[in-house]
Amino acid sequence: DTAVSQTPKYLVTQMGNDKSIKCEQNLGHDTMYWYKQDSKKFLKIMFSYNNKELIINETVPNRFSPKSPDKAHLNLHINSLELGDSAVYFCASSRLGPQAGELFFGEGSRLTVL
Amino acid sequence: KNEVEQSPQNLTAQEGEFITINCSYSVGISALHWLQQHPGGGIVSLFMLSSGKKKHGRLIATINIQEKHSSLHITASHPRDSAVYICAVPTLGSYNTDKLIFGTGTRLQVFP
Repeated sequence: DTAVSQTPKYLVTQMGNDKSIKCEQNLGHDTMYWYKQDSKKFLKIMFSYNNKELIINETVPNRFSPKSPDKAHLNLHINSLELGDSAVYFCASSRLGPQAGELFFGEGSRLTVL
Repeated sequence: KNEVEQSPQNLTAQEGEFITINCSYSVGISALHWLQQHPGGGIVSLFMLSSGKKKHGRLIATINIQEKHSSLHITASHPRDSAVYICAVPTLGSYNTDKLIFGTGTRLQVFP
């Protein structure tokens, strides 16, 4: 019974295509996040949502559009994929913000852009 | 210079050894997170602490807020502890607009 699940786990696509990654959490948390882990394994926040409302947009290109239909779901849509978008994308959730709440991560979605 | 620095970057140990991973940060914080990323890629939260010490099994995390330093200790290390250990701190801001800043991670390999 996975707490934070994201699909797909692997995604291989051509430059210029549009793709989506879905994330769902069954923990009842109010806050959800998207993080990007680059080839050097460095993690960086992309977006944060609290109860379906965008809280953080960390200077991510407009080609990335998060959507939160309800507080249990946070999907990531990427338009016009570029080579530099190749990375592992992690969804996470927490009951409170990171000052006070433990984070629960999904298994990651490895995106490869050819 | 990263706002969150970890040392060492790589660590090799024999099974049974006592392991220490250090994290120093330059921002003011109210809590610090220790995460574990296994070779398979999944990330698990180990600790969130704001003062003193926390213990979970063979893992111990300590933090000194005044010195802006935290340590993660593993007692009686085992090959299954092999993973990347990541320190992360939230930037201070209004509640629910904080973001985590991550260290570059410490890659630990424990050999039998």
